[in-house]
Amino acid sequence: NAGVMQNPRHLVRRRGQEARLRCSPMKGHSHVYWYRQLPEEGLKFMVYLQKENIIDESGMPKERFSAEFPKEGPSILRIQQVVRGDSAAYFCASSIRRENTEAFFGQGTRLTVV
Amino acid sequence: AQSVTQLGSHVSVSEGALVLLRCNYSSSVPPYLFWYVQYPNQGLQLLLKYTSAATLVKGINGFEAEFKKSETSFHLTKPSAHMSDAAEYFCAVSSADRGSTLGRLYFGRGTQLTVWP
Repeated sequence: NAGVMQNPRHLVRRRGQEARLRCSPMKGHSHVYWYRQLPEEGLKFMVYLQKENIIDESGMPKERFSAEFPKEGPSILRIQQVVRGDSAAYFCASSIRRENTEAFFGQGTRLTVV
Repeated sequence: AQSVTQLGSHVSVSEGALVLLRCNYSSSVPPYLFWYVQYPNQGLQLLLKYTSAATLVKGINGFEAEFKKSETSFHLTKPSAHMSDAAEYFCAVSSADRGSTLGRLYFGRGTQLTVWP
């Protein structure tokens, strides 16, 4: 049973480009969470999705950021018109239940905006 | 609301010495508590968790943590440090309340553990 898969592991974008980060949850998991880790900080919640539904996006910036978790395929975190401040590690976690007594994390995507 | 404070952003110990990483939490409802470890350029691996069963929780790699409600603490310990324990450790709290934040993890800022030979 493969773990949570994120790709790419590293992503370099120029300012103004779009970044697409992908997350495939563990088999049987229908709850996906995205977190952002800035240097010297812990992880901050961004968005929580179930299949085809955004349940809680209160941690996501209002502009330029969007997320989806389609019926088929991975969850996508999309950042439009990236800026230097978007440089961070983005982690996806999945769980089998919302109560989240054990969320499994992917290895993250490290986004660098140049 | 939930929050986590990790005292000490850096902790250094000698190999074989006791490891103590401190975590205090704030939660308005009974919490779930977690410790994760992160190796360089890796994701987070669950060390142990407290989900309202036994207050002394044993995890992987010889780590354990004790939930103390009166002190709102969940400190992580290991009797004897090993070189391979050098990593960053994160304490996290999740709400057991069936409200809008159910399932969301709130993380501390992390503690970098260095182990000297």
